Amino acid sequence: DVKVTQSSRYLVKRTGEKVFLECVQDMDHENMFWYRQDPGLGLRLIYFSYDVKMKEKGDIPEGYSVSREKKERFSLILESASTNQTSMYLCASSAGLAGWYEQFFGPGTRLTVL
Amino acid sequence: AQRVTQPEKLLSVFKGAPVELKCNYSYSGSPELFWYVQYSRQRLQLLLRHISRESIKGFTADLNKGETSFHLKKPFAQEEDSAMYYCALSGEGSGNTGKLIFGQGTTLQVKP
Repeated sequence: DVKVTQSSRYLVKRTGEKVFLECVQDMDHENMFWYRQDPGLGLRLIYFSYDVKMKEKGDIPEGYSVSREKKERFSLILESASTNQTSMYLCASSAGLAGWYEQFFGPGTRLTVL
Repeated sequence: AQRVTQPEKLLSVFKGAPVELKCNYSYSGSPELFWYVQYSRQRLQLLLRHISRESIKGFTADLNKGETSFHLKKPFAQEEDSAMYYCALSGEGSGNTGKLIFGQGTTLQVKP
């Protein structure tokens, strides 16, 4: 059973803080993704990674960076948190490079920036 | 540009009524289309994908390339179908990275 875990379910940070969101998958998946989920906007891709140390920008990368030093771990970094980054963050992974592979999601981290 | 549109934010039906969740896409090539579902307090998960031509929990979806639609249907809704549903697209422009474009989501509410 594929398991994607995220380091925190809820997180409260102050404006200007550096924030780290961690994601770990245990199924040796090649691809990993970070989305933010907002009501009325659906899921929007922030960054994704198709291999260790490889990353590509998604649709809304501004204000975020990522790190993938090990295959199983993909971190999302908010360099200087702002209130408009208050959101639900979802991590996902998939086994292959073809578009039809299923994505497996983590439980999400609800981040509030005050 | 690739785009997925779900025109309804909320769809409310009574138990036993038919359900159709609408999804339209914009893509010039051959798309791969999916429906993902998120039940209350659960993680987002795949419901079905068009390439499999399967029926899951009584739901089906047919890809209509002429109308660029991939509507999700179920003949008789059950209360346990209440959830948030997302339509998603993966196209050749994804560069074989598995990148998905999601719609805005539709909340299905099935009333007793």
